[in-house]
Amino acid sequence: QKEVEQDPGPLSVPEGAIVSLNCTYSNSAFQYFMWYRQYSRKGPELLMYTYSSGNKEDGRFTAQVDKSSKYISLFIRDSQPSDSATYLCAMSDGLTGGGNKLTFGTGTQLKVEL
Amino acid sequence: DGGITQSPKYLFRKEGQNVTLSCEQNLNHDAMYWYRQDPGQGLRLIYYSQIVNDFQKGDIAEGYSVSREKKESFPLTVTSAQKNPTAFYLCASSFGFQPQHFGDGTRLSIL
Repeated sequence: QKEVEQDPGPLSVPEGAIVSLNCTYSNSAFQYFMWYRQYSRKGPELLMYTYSSGNKEDGRFTAQVDKSSKYISLFIRDSQPSDSATYLCAMSDGLTGGGNKLTFGTGTQLKVEL
Repeated sequence: DGGITQSPKYLFRKEGQNVTLSCEQNLNHDAMYWYRQDPGQGLRLIYYSQIVNDFQKGDIAEGYSVSREKKESFPLTVTSAQKNPTAFYLCASSFGFQPQHFGDGTRLSIL
């Protein structure tokens, strides 16, 4: 079993839809959680960064962390074709590898259609 | 503009050849990382360095080598011992416990 599980998709939604992307994890020591967006042939771009449990909102994006369920989510409101990309979750325990060793999910491919 | 520059964008390796991938950052970050990305496997850590002249193996270091002679630079050598080198290689850097920022990668293929 992988430490971080993420549905690879592809996930196809119409423009304007609310998108929900999720990751589950098994290591209860994880306390820093990130979402990255990766366009084809590009490097990952940081979207959201949260510490411990709770919600964080930034524009059309909301990140949720539920440590009791070992479950994190990224919601995208009013999705746009420019949101079409692969979304990677990543997490760390703040101790391993100098405190910043990340464990990544495999990524979910999202396509927003006109 | 501050950022991470990886070069070349595409690289081809012949059998038995070592190749070096370049990573330069002007963000004044102390830590730098190398990842390998394969379809369906996410990013896997090859090597990381928290400070100049020091680096540690990641999860899949076999067949790779690195150096960290300058804060700005963290080149990765893919040696002939790496039997399956075809992948997308990503370099990242970070300051303290802040999230890592990535370059735009080098795609390595075998001739």
